[in-house]
Amino acid sequence: QVTLKESGPALVKPTQTLTLTCTVSGFSLSTSGVRVTWIRQPPGKALEWLARIDWDDDKFYNTSLKTRLTISKDTSKNQVVLIMTNMDPVDTATYYCARTTNLGDLSLYDYWGQGTLVTVSS
Amino acid sequence: DIQMTQSPSSLSASVGDRVTITCRASQSMSSYLNWYQQKPGKAPKLLIYAASSLQSGAPSRFSGSGSGTDFTLTISSLQREDIATYFCQQTYSAPRDTFGQGTKLEIK
Repeated sequence: QVTLKESGPALVKPTQTLTLTCTVSGFSLSTSGVRVTWIRQPPGKALEWLARIDWDDDKFYNTSLKTRLTISKDTSKNQVVLIMTNMDPVDTATYYCARTTNLGDLSLYDYWGQGTLVTVSS
Repeated sequence: DIQMTQSPSSLSASVGDRVTITCRASQSMSSYLNWYQQKPGKAPKLLIYAASSLQSGAPSRFSGSGSGTDFTLTISSLQREDIATYFCQQTYSAPRDTFGQGTKLEIK
């Protein structure tokens, strides 16, 4: 059974660094073709793609947020970590991790974590 | 970036109605389009991929169509459990996908 679960602080102060962890089960982060993506959703707003890491450690970032984001994985712990620096109240959102599957050139998010709400406030 | 515009932003319909949601891309993207359903307080769930393929486990009353820049999600007979927000997602520019702003569906 494939599951993903996000964890991290519910509240961070402006300018602080946010560290989120996505713990996966039911698949291995080292298996060829496995990809995990971070996506966020501000309250009442649309989804925003943040970053992706692939089984071969290729990494991709949202162009607008690239300087603030770092994605990594620990295969032995079945974890993907997202670090976002210099947090601002506009970063208040629910953060999701999702397994990303490719069908040819088409990518889709077939399994999602439950999401974790992060509020940025002093 | 490819911009995705969904319409309407909200919709109220009766049980049994046929419901249509559209998504328009700012440039042609073949069939690189997925649809997700998000119920309140829950993570999104994949409904349709590659514009018209029904995800395993999704009810057959859901269907998708379109290619190029214009896409449609249709619910053939609305059920109460379909109350949710629906998002389209383009993956033509993968890995940097973008999503539509969502359509909130309510029951009259």
